[in-house]
Amino acid sequence: NAGVTQTPKFQVLKTGQSMTLQCAQDMNHEYMSWYRQDPGMGLRLIHYSVGAGITDQGEVPNGYNVSRSTTEDFPLRLLSAAPSQTSVYFCASSRQGGDTQYFGPGTRLTVL
Amino acid sequence: GQQLNQSPQSMFIQEGEDVSMNCTSSSIFNTWLWYKQDPGEGPVLLIALYKAGELTSNGRLTAQFGITRKDSFLNISASIPSDVGIYFCAGHPRAGGTSYGKLTFGQGTILTVHP
Repeated sequence: NAGVTQTPKFQVLKTGQSMTLQCAQDMNHEYMSWYRQDPGMGLRLIHYSVGAGITDQGEVPNGYNVSRSTTEDFPLRLLSAAPSQTSVYFCASSRQGGDTQYFGPGTRLTVL
Repeated sequence: GQQLNQSPQSMFIQEGEDVSMNCTSSSIFNTWLWYKQDPGEGPVLLIALYKAGELTSNGRLTAQFGITRKDSFLNISASIPSDVGIYFCAGHPRAGGTSYGKLTFGQGTILTVHP
């Protein structure tokens, strides 16, 4: 099992550009989530999904969109990148209920 | 959003010493988790606790789920240089509430081990 995989590992964007951060898991987990990690702020939940076709907002959802068309994939879209979205982004997955979450290696995003 | 109160924020210890860190919350949790994050990597799950009072070990690591469901601690015995990293606690609420499905994280404890 590869676990949770994320691509790309690093990304630099200009303000206003759009991009999609990819996340996939091969553990047949129902629950998937996206977090951002900023210095001094810990991990903050952006969006999460309890199953294919179902998504919901977390603590900091503004500026981000998600969709869940399959159990395996949970992409995070930035429609118009802003410098405030410079951060490290982690995807995680869990069995049903979202308690024991397993994290991917992260995507380091810089918005200029 | 809600954060767990994790302490200490940082620790500087000598190799071989024992380490203790804890998390407290004003809310009750059904699950307590402890993660370690190495520089440039994602958090790795160390120990998961599912029952109040539960004491679980993973090698030199021992964690306990507080009896009130509002706290947890992690101990590392006989520290070694590779224990260096950031340790996070996380709590998961009980089913039925509006926060169900959302982990709450502590701010992390930065551990430095001097050889």
